Amino acid sequence: GAVVSQHPSRVICKSGTSVKIECRSLDFQATTMFWYRQFPKQSLMLMATSNEGSKATYEQGVEKDKFLINHASLTLSTLTVTSAHPEDSSFYICSARDILDTQYFGPGTRLTVL
Amino acid sequence: GQQLNQSPQSMFIQEGEDVSMNCTSSSIFNTWLWYKQDPGEGPVLLIALYKAGELTSNGRLTAQFGITRKDSFLNISASIPSDVGIYFCAGRVYSGNTPLVFGKGTRLSVIA
Repeated sequence: GAVVSQHPSRVICKSGTSVKIECRSLDFQATTMFWYRQFPKQSLMLMATSNEGSKATYEQGVEKDKFLINHASLTLSTLTVTSAHPEDSSFYICSARDILDTQYFGPGTRLTVL
Repeated sequence: GQQLNQSPQSMFIQEGEDVSMNCTSSSIFNTWLWYKQDPGEGPVLLIALYKAGELTSNGRLTAQFGITRKDSFLNISASIPSDVGIYFCAGRVYSGNTPLVFGKGTRLSVIA
């Protein structure tokens, strides 16, 4: 099946710093990518939908200036958590949709803000 | 908005038993997907369904896209310890960039 990679898998940073997470579709092109956040023992919460070459669409309650998304190519989307605070600590998962409308997920990034 | 009701929330079964879980929707979907998530990992796609009535198998897993397009089930036969995890259903309506709607997951525990 299709593979989506995510980097880094785990990051620990100090409060106030910015963290960039990369998401790549390795063997297919994805015009649409998605970023999710997941809290322990809960389902995935969609943060934003990212289209190649255009601005991301953010879900209600998600600050676009806080969570910067760039979808520079058909295989790469990045999420930058700016001025991270402890409450931003979470499990962030990206997903990419192929031409058959099937969504594949990356392995996730565990962010811990001290 | 669209909601998915996934049941059961959790299951404890003996190794070798069959498992069944399902999702129902308040609205019609064009795509149903079933994922499994292990702790600390991203969801892994198990089965994708694209047509009403479609019945698809993947090894010991079988899933069906309900005729009404408002429900789907996933069956696991002869469960083994590595089946432990959280299973999510997800559905989507074809309309621009509408995202997947997820169920809340079924946590499966297998007792050896």
